[in-house]
Amino acid sequence: AQSVTQLDSHVSVSEGTPVLLRCNYSSSYSPSLFWYVQHPNKGLQLLLKYTSAATLVKGINGFEAEFKKSETSFHLTKPSAHMSDAAEYFCVVRDWMEYGNKLVFGAGTILRVKS
Amino acid sequence: NAGVTQTPKFQVLKTGQSMTLQCAQDMNHEYMSWYRQDPGMGLRLIHYSVGAGITDQGEVPNGYNVSRSTTEDFPLRLLSAAPSQTSVYFCASSPPGGTEAFFGQGTRLTVV
Repeated sequence: AQSVTQLDSHVSVSEGTPVLLRCNYSSSYSPSLFWYVQHPNKGLQLLLKYTSAATLVKGINGFEAEFKKSETSFHLTKPSAHMSDAAEYFCVVRDWMEYGNKLVFGAGTILRVKS
Repeated sequence: NAGVTQTPKFQVLKTGQSMTLQCAQDMNHEYMSWYRQDPGMGLRLIHYSVGAGITDQGEVPNGYNVSRSTTEDFPLRLLSAAPSQTSVYFCASSPPGGTEAFFGQGTRLTVV
């Protein structure tokens, strides 16, 4: 079975400084990986996805993630944090099924942005 | 295009009551699923469906029933609510062969 581990439950950065949210995955084959964001009391929004194309994936709002097979990592980064980035972020791997699309979620990382 | 619509947004139940969480999508997606979200645990799959008439259990199915009579609708039933079912519930749908899931806005359920 596929799994993901988000290495930090909370990350705090100052506005304008870089953001790094770490994610390691476990997969027996080439995975499909995603980052979703959830703002307080809101639903989930897809930030970006990796599906075996380019290893550096660009997403919305200036976020990007790099797929590193040798390290089994898919860390999320942003060069400069904005107050509006404060939210919970989920690293997600697609688990193989004959049909459908089962997603396995990490426990989440809460990002705090200080002014 | 409304996407995935969940109702209600909030609900308070007493222990032992039953209720149905509604989920509808207008994207003609075959695959639909229900997740629950609990603090520090991410989202966990409750039940899923790969098409009308076909459902199966996820990793935390106990206490929940589902049915899929149409492509559009995938209701989640709590037969006898328990405090352990206090959670936020998300419905999601995906197109055939698609990798991305589209989520509803969630239902916040409290069982007292």
